[in-house]
Amino acid sequence: AQKVTQAQTEISVVEKEDVTLDCVYETRDTTYYLFWYKQPPSGELVFLIRRNSFDEQNEISGRYSWNFQKSTSSFNFTITASQVVDSAVYFCALSEGITGGFKTIFGAGTRLFVKA
Amino acid sequence: GAGVSQSPRYKVTKRGQDVALRCDPISGHVSLYWYRQALGQGPEFLTYFNYEAQQDKSGLPNDRFSAERPEGSISTLTIQRTEQRDSAMYRCASSPNAGPNSDNEQFFGPGTRLTVL
Repeated sequence: AQKVTQAQTEISVVEKEDVTLDCVYETRDTTYYLFWYKQPPSGELVFLIRRNSFDEQNEISGRYSWNFQKSTSSFNFTITASQVVDSAVYFCALSEGITGGFKTIFGAGTRLFVKA
Repeated sequence: GAGVSQSPRYKVTKRGQDVALRCDPISGHVSLYWYRQALGQGPEFLTYFNYEAQQDKSGLPNDRFSAERPEGSISTLTIQRTEQRDSAMYRCASSPNAGPNSDNEQFFGPGTRLTVL
């Protein structure tokens, strides 16, 4: 069965600090997809990244970077030089399925507070 | 419109009443998903469609919940005989294609906040 664990419920940092949000997943499929979404205080869900199980290359996008390690079933998200606007709830998600669309399971989220 | 829309944005109903929540996906999107998000939790999968076909309804909590997408576009999630525990944000998402590929990001709507008194 699928499972996504975000052990950090809340994290509080001071602006310009780096912060890493942890995500550990469980799946029996060899083909799966991992995602990160951001939910700012306004409530919408904003897609950040999608990674498939065959691509373990880490990715950097501006101040955001993602570290995918199949050996530890982790897909961690790092924000470098955090800013107040990064304050939000961040969700990690997992999808299994090869054809016909896929069911996505979300973690419980990590609430990030960035203080000025 | 450019994004996924949902209506109503807010719904307050009395216990025992039926409610119908509407999702209008991005035009041309093949897949449509329904999620429920309780306060302080991540979205919980309910069901999804490819075109008009319901592919997986394993997340629907019980038989009071049903969903349809008769013409492969707009979808309706119906909750019969609502209970207080049904109170949550109900979110819809759509994606361009069925199956995994680089275009299969899910675009989320703003949600319908349901309150059952």
